[in-house]
Amino acid sequence: SQQGEEDPQALSIQEGENATMNCSYKTSINNLQWYRQNSGRGLVHLILIRSNEREKHSGRLRVTLDTSKKSSSLLITASRAADTASYFCATDNYGQNFVFGPGTRLSVLP
Amino acid sequence: DTAVSQTPKYLVTQMGNDKSIKCEQNLGHDTMYWYKQDSKKFLKIMFSYNNKELIINETVPNRFSPKSPDKAHLNLHINSLELGDSAVYFCASSQDDRRKAFFGQGTRLTVV
Repeated sequence: SQQGEEDPQALSIQEGENATMNCSYKTSINNLQWYRQNSGRGLVHLILIRSNEREKHSGRLRVTLDTSKKSSSLLITASRAADTASYFCATDNYGQNFVFGPGTRLSVLP
Repeated sequence: DTAVSQTPKYLVTQMGNDKSIKCEQNLGHDTMYWYKQDSKKFLKIMFSYNNKELIINETVPNRFSPKSPDKAHLNLHINSLELGDSAVYFCASSQDDRRKAFFGQGTRLTVV
């Protein structure tokens, strides 16, 4: 089944450092999205990148998409303790539903 | 105003019971979803529904059924609850173009 998978599963960094998370998927997609989930909360949409785009920025977030490798990366620059959360990629593949990967748990230590 | 709201936030019930979780969205979205998040945080789509069709994940037991009284609501009914149903259930909605999903805060279901 077509499914995003994030890598690494867990990541711990110091405040101020950059955090990079990767997502791989299996089939062609219409777009790929990244979501954040704080502990005990719902998911919050962060950024969407279309299949014909290669890079997108939003504040401290930078997302890249390589459709030839079926992979995407999320970079959070100058991380803060408030960035501590789980991050999920979700793929939308032409008429099917959002399919989420298992997520990356990011811990930003003060 | 909360965009997607679910009730209850917590639900503890005994095996064999029937329960419902309510979901409402005030965004005017066309499509609503139910997801199940297990203890390992993996999100699994259960249903998606708009005014045109209901798409069911074939792995979802038929004890689970969505009910949509109107476009703004998609409630989840669960019959004969089992221990393995314990999880956090999320409702979400999006416009038909599925560019962005808005999630509720989740309902933590515990079956004892």
